[in-house]
Amino acid sequence: DQQVKQNSPSLSVQEGRISILNCDYTNSMFDYFLWYKKYPAEGPTFLISISSIKDKNEDGRFTVFLNKSAKHLSLHIVPSQPGDSAVYFCAASAGAGSYQLTFGKGTKLSVIP
Amino acid sequence: DAGVIQSPRHEVTEMGQEVTLRCKPISGHDYLFWYRQTMMRGLELLIYFNNNVPIDDSGMPEDRFSAKMPNASFSTLKIQPSEPRDSAVYFCASSLDGFNSPLHFGNGTRLTVT
Repeated sequence: DQQVKQNSPSLSVQEGRISILNCDYTNSMFDYFLWYKKYPAEGPTFLISISSIKDKNEDGRFTVFLNKSAKHLSLHIVPSQPGDSAVYFCAASAGAGSYQLTFGKGTKLSVIP
Repeated sequence: DAGVIQSPRHEVTEMGQEVTLRCKPISGHDYLFWYRQTMMRGLELLIYFNNNVPIDDSGMPEDRFSAKMPNASFSTLKIQPSEPRDSAVYFCASSLDGFNSPLHFGNGTRLTVT
């Protein structure tokens, strides 16, 4: 069973507009969430994270929102740029003392110039 | 900082052969992880080490898989004998403090077993 789900395999967005990538989780023990970005033929690179004590974390053009009651998080990219075209992975862990990081299967974002 | 270095980038081998994947973590990182990525299952954790000691190998699929970390700057993942279903991209990652700090991934080894 998938504990971290990214239900949209792909997303296309016009340059300059907002990209919203979604992620749902089922394990209520998860309390630390991360987003990774992956370009072809490269490993995933860390983008942004959020702890369950927060509902929002912002870093430049990237904002992650966490809705614990809905077990849902989203990544907003504003404004989207062609260089943002990549596969985005959502990941979750049960935090301190737990070293199992569970990844979603990824969403491929294409930003159209 | 050269990042996590994996070799080879690509490996093509025949079923039944031994395969060894190599990883050099970032200097100073105490944790090292081996992941496997497939279309069906996505990114799966195979095993991780803390200070060169294997901590959790519950993700290792079978006894055909083994991993070692003889020192802080080198780890290997070995598959013996290899099978076609082992075909995947294998990533090595390291971090300062387990999953509480971001993982730094290598560029992966794409393994094809024919």
